[in-house]
Amino acid sequence: DTEVTQTPKHLVMGMTNKKSLKCEQHMGHRAMYWYKQKAKKPPELMFVYSYEKLSINESVPSRFSPECPNSSLLNLHLHALQPEDSALYLCASSGPGNYGYTFGSGTRLTVV
Amino acid sequence: AQSVTQPDIHITVSEGASLELRCNYSYGATPYLFWYVQSPGQGLQLLLKYFSGDTLVQGIKGFEAEFKRSQSSFNLRKPSVHWSDAAEYFCAVGNTGGFKTIFGAGTRLFVKA
Repeated sequence: DTEVTQTPKHLVMGMTNKKSLKCEQHMGHRAMYWYKQKAKKPPELMFVYSYEKLSINESVPSRFSPECPNSSLLNLHLHALQPEDSALYLCASSGPGNYGYTFGSGTRLTVV
Repeated sequence: AQSVTQPDIHITVSEGASLELRCNYSYGATPYLFWYVQSPGQGLQLLLKYFSGDTLVQGIKGFEAEFKRSQSSFNLRKPSVHWSDAAEYFCAVGNTGGFKTIFGAGTRLFVKA
């Protein structure tokens, strides 16, 4: 299995809602990432987990809460988002040493 | 500080023509360099990567890239473009052994019949 699977593919949520994005990989990769991508922009790093521990938080607002329950799963919990948080959220994984990422197809999030 | 510059926001080529997408980087040591491709509404797919050794690297889908240290460049090439190559292409530089990858702004490739 050489894929990163993200669910859901599309999500519309209100500003008072709580929702979660899910990401799963079975490649044995021990680093997992959340990226945010606005239209016509490159991906921006949000969080990095290495061996299930949070290694990098790029000063992301607390309304985004990551979780890594095990080596194959990565969640992003969303609460009280703003319309400007609407974007494509990408999950990625990599083996040791940053030799390139495998990306999921993303969750298109719209905050209304 | 690390940075990546893709000078061309968009490029249009005819199907069957050759392609070169430009990428310049700034990095203090030998960089890890990547090219990714993104089709509309999709995630990114790794085309190729360079860490060391042979400066001409081959990737998937018939793409290749050449690392030129003297020019701080890592340009992507393809000898004959297919309509399915129309997409956004991102050049990226990674820190050695770390988790941060810096992406360029991207070059949108249009392919005309």
